[in-house]
Amino acid sequence: DAKTTQPPSMDCAEGRAANLPCNHSTISGNEYVYWYRQIHSQGPQYIIHGLKNNETNEMASLIITEDRKSSTLILPHATLRDTAVYYCILLLGETSGSRLTFGEGTQLTVNP
Amino acid sequence: NAGVTQTPKFRILKIGQSMTLQCTQDMNHNYMYWYRQDPGMGLKLIYYSVGAGITDKGEVPNGYNVSRSTTEDFPLRLELAAPSQTSVYFCASKGQGAYTEAFFGQGTRLTVV
Repeated sequence: DAKTTQPPSMDCAEGRAANLPCNHSTISGNEYVYWYRQIHSQGPQYIIHGLKNNETNEMASLIITEDRKSSTLILPHATLRDTAVYYCILLLGETSGSRLTFGEGTQLTVNP
Repeated sequence: NAGVTQTPKFRILKIGQSMTLQCTQDMNHNYMYWYRQDPGMGLKLIYYSVGAGITDKGEVPNGYNVSRSTTEDFPLRLELAAPSQTSVYFCASKGQGAYTEAFFGQGTRLTVV
């Protein structure tokens, strides 16, 4: 599976947008970009995923560049409860059991 | 729905003891996974299963065993516990279809002394 690179930490002011980058320059054509987060050692929680087009749901937006070599997760109005480790993961579908391979993620701290 | 349920939540083992971490899901998911997470690190895959009767190794399988006799249950067995197995263990399940989301349990915190 292709690898992802994320900054180890980021800060964001409460109420502002949090933009979390992810580099995946070796992504293959049929790998999806997934985002999960982990709040204070709880089990990871799914946020959003996409292939080529930008995606939005009630939690976040996902912007994928046209060449698919990088993406950005956007939390439009960050709250203190969004403080968590955010993982950007590439998934190759049914191959090898649709396994998720976690990197180190980005520790997002939302400040009052 | 309860989702993915792990038991116990906490456990202290002595070196050389054995135990089974239980995981059950009520979503009729085919795919199930066991991960471990050491402090400050990302999750590492121990074993996974794509259906009842089928299991396969992940990145860090040594010292562990699994079985999948039913769709609902995916227990993780530790034989001869070692201090290196001190970690938080997460079970997850995922439905059929390549691009569904995975659901995680709340974890089992294991300490081997």
